[in-house]
Amino acid sequence: NAGVTQTPKFRVLKTGQSMTLLCAQDMNHEYMYWYRQDPGMGLRLIHYSVGEGTTAKGEVPDGYNVSRLKKQNFLLGLESAAPSQTSVYFCASRPTSGSSYNEQFFGPGTRLTVL
Amino acid sequence: LAKTTQPISMDSYEGQEVNITCSHNNIATNDYITWYQQFPSQGPRFIIQGYKTKVTNEVASLFIPADRKSSTLSLPRVSLSDTAVYYCLVGDGPDSSYKLIFGSGTRLLVRP
Repeated sequence: NAGVTQTPKFRVLKTGQSMTLLCAQDMNHEYMYWYRQDPGMGLRLIHYSVGEGTTAKGEVPDGYNVSRLKKQNFLLGLESAAPSQTSVYFCASRPTSGSSYNEQFFGPGTRLTVL
Repeated sequence: LAKTTQPISMDSYEGQEVNITCSHNNIATNDYITWYQQFPSQGPRFIIQGYKTKVTNEVASLFIPADRKSSTLSLPRVSLSDTAVYYCLVGDGPDSSYKLIFGSGTRLLVRP
């Protein structure tokens, strides 16, 4: 049981390049989330999904797109990277029933630098 | 979503009890109060969640007064390994679309 995994762990982009961050969970959780965390700051919600095929905007969605084609995967895309998107990106998932209801399980993070 | 206010930082010593208070004046009826812990270079980890009164688990206790406008996370007998950032969040109910909004958190430093 790997929990929540994120690919890649590190990435350096040039301004204007595009990339996709992959989040995968093997816990059969319905809800998934993408956050960004800037140095010394708290996490900010980018997008989230309450089920396969659904996505919704969080606090800071501009410049990002997401897709949830499969229940276990949640993809975060940057179409044209900007230096302001340099951050650590965390993915999380949560169940909707059971003893861990309402608990978000976080991945290890992806450190992205945009030059 | 209700905003939360918590101290930016706290210092303590090993073996002491630490209480971190969070203010959430605009908490909604369906909102839960949740606390997460984050170590450097790691994702946050769930500590405890409650709706009202007192909740206790093997790690911490959460005290919530009747008006639910604040809450206190209590860490008994802290150790050096409890040095981390602690986030107080409200939300995660149907009225909040099951979202959680993280604030800046409280940086707890435990000294020997």
